Amino acid sequence: EIVMTQSPATLSVSPGERASLSCRASHNVGNNLAWYQQKPGQPPRLLISSASSGVTGLPARFSGSRSGTEFTLTISSLQSEDSGIYFCQQYNTWPFTFGQGTRLEIK
Amino acid sequence: DVRLVQSGAEVREPGESLKISCKGSGYSFTSYWIGWVRQMPGRGPEWMGIIYPGDSDTRYSPSFQGRVTISADKSNDTAYLQWSSLTASDTAMYYCARQGYSTPFYPMDVWGQGTPITVSS
Repeated sequence: EIVMTQSPATLSVSPGERASLSCRASHNVGNNLAWYQQKPGQPPRLLISSASSGVTGLPARFSGSRSGTEFTLTISSLQSEDSGIYFCQQYNTWPFTFGQGTRLEIK
Repeated sequence: DVRLVQSGAEVREPGESLKISCKGSGYSFTSYWIGWVRQMPGRGPEWMGIIYPGDSDTRYSPSFQGRVTISADKSNDTAYLQWSSLTASDTAMYYCARQGYSTPFYPMDVWGQGTPITVSS
């Protein structure tokens, strides 16, 4: 099973600042990596697929990148509505595993 | 409007059986894989397994193989997740999600609202 490790566990950032969330895969997953945002009481919401492709309507401040087995979600200018928990998921190899999440707090 | 609507909250005692549902609408249900995800309180999601309603091809995570059964009724555009004997450790929120047109190697792009399950004596 591929283990997805996210860091940091919690990130506190001021509005307008940049947030970088990391996700590392224990084995190669190619570009088969998705990022999700989850708010309290809601299901996860897909933000980015294929490591760097934003879903339709995703604000331009969100971007994803890959370097080998390291993936990064960057929010360039944080807005208050960006608070929540962010999960990565690999869908390259059964079973399709999730990371444990990064909680993003707005200062 | 593409939607997945799940059945409502359940409370069961240990040892009881349970089957929850996930009904799709607004798209060709038989052409997309449907996955199931467990989320325990305060924890990250856990991918449980997946089914292709078109032919009922099913795959399970080793962590859930033998503990749950995933099925689908393509005549009713509905997928199911069932347990034959619940334990307290099954207490969690369960989500279904659409995962891939023809191929399952795709992210989960549409999610159900979740079904909370509580197992307690």
